[in-house]
Amino acid sequence: AQSVTQLDSQVPVFEEAPVELRCNYSSSVSVYLFWYVQYPNQGLQLLLKYLSGSTLVKGINGFEAEFNKSQTSFHLRKPSVHISDTAEYFCAVSERRTGFQKLVFGTGTRLLVSP
Amino acid sequence: ETGVTQSPTHLIKTRGQQVTLRCSSQSGHNTVSWYQQALGQGPQFIFQYYREEENGRGNFPPRFSGLQFPNYSSELNVNALELDDSALYLCASKPGGQADTQYFGPGTRLTVL
Repeated sequence: AQSVTQLDSQVPVFEEAPVELRCNYSSSVSVYLFWYVQYPNQGLQLLLKYLSGSTLVKGINGFEAEFNKSQTSFHLRKPSVHISDTAEYFCAVSERRTGFQKLVFGTGTRLLVSP
Repeated sequence: ETGVTQSPTHLIKTRGQQVTLRCSSQSGHNTVSWYQQALGQGPQFIFQYYREEENGRGNFPPRFSGLQFPNYSSELNVNALELDDSALYLCASKPGGQADTQYFGPGTRLTVL
């Protein structure tokens, strides 16, 4: 079984400042890793994913994440945030298994960007 | 836009009733999953369907059931509704056979009174 821990329930930050949202996971098997964003009253939108290869993954809207196997982490970063980045961010993992994909999510981190 | 739509947007039911939620996926997406997201929580996996067969289930009782149709639409049915069933229900689809991106719909907000 897999589990995901998002250490920060809320991260306040000023506009144009850098931000890091932390994610740690636990799994006895190899996994795929994902970050999703959820704006108020909307579904989930994929920001980026790690399937294999380079451990630094670039996604949409200027976000990037680094997979660290030894630390079992997949932290999300952005060098300069905008007001429009205010949203809930979810880290998720799924077992590497062709066809079947059960996403296991963390409890989410609310990013609050203020002027 | 993910190409995944859900209906209705909002729904209010009372305890003991039954509800059907609907999802329409992109053409070619043979796999659909359903998730329950309680307020302030991350989504929880309910089950997955691949080519109209359930091929995986989370820790949800049998009163949660589903159907997937050849036209890339699907349903989530919940019988004997309980107050704790109040949540946002999300469906997600992806091309079958690929361990890749799931595309989420906007969700149905179910309130059980």
